Amino acid sequence: GENVEQHPSTLSVQEGDSAVIKCTYSDSASNYFPWYKQELGKGPQLIIDIRSNVGEKKDQRIAVTLNKTAKHFSLHITETQPEDSAVYFCAASIGYGGSQGNLIFGKGTKLSVKP
Amino acid sequence: EAGVAQSPRYKIIEKRQSVAFWCNPISGHATLYWYQQILGQGPKLLIQFQNNGVVDDSQLPKDRFSAERLKGVDSTLKIQPAKLEDSAVYLCASSTRWGSGGTQETQYFGPGTRLLVL
Repeated sequence: GENVEQHPSTLSVQEGDSAVIKCTYSDSASNYFPWYKQELGKGPQLIIDIRSNVGEKKDQRIAVTLNKTAKHFSLHITETQPEDSAVYFCAASIGYGGSQGNLIFGKGTKLSVKP
Repeated sequence: EAGVAQSPRYKIIEKRQSVAFWCNPISGHATLYWYQQILGQGPKLLIQFQNNGVVDDSQLPKDRFSAERLKGVDSTLKIQPAKLEDSAVYLCASSTRWGSGGTQETQYFGPGTRLLVL
């Protein structure tokens, strides 16, 4: 079945450094790739998303890149701050069948930003 | 704009007991999702509603899980009887619509209900 792999599982950076989280997906028909941030005791919150007709999208300190040929997409956070510390999830949409459009999530990356 | 509301926030039960979770989506959102999030993993979709109809329940363990969305607004998810492996966070999410061809709109998540089965 469809699968999304996410790496690394944990990431520790110094404040001000950049952080990169990478995901690969198996469904070549996937066309929507959101990233969610989940803080302790809260539900996931969308931080950025990208669709398959775009290769890169940026929103202030956050950017996402998509390589459809290689079935890779990545989250880039620049100038990290302690409040960026959380678990980040990537997801990819299912491209066909009865579940088309629904999301498959990666296992998450725990980002720690040290002051 | 009020977010997705869920209750209770925490629940502890013994195995073989039953439990129910409630979700109130964002006003006007036609699509509602229930996810199961086991510790250390990403959310896994259990069931998707469009208004009060089921769109996708392919991953719902129907022998013990049931869900309904009366009048296309609030929804309840029930587990009966619960097993130890049901210990997880149950997340509700909603979006404005789910279009034909699998058009995907932003999903907004609630805070979740943390279930512990002893």
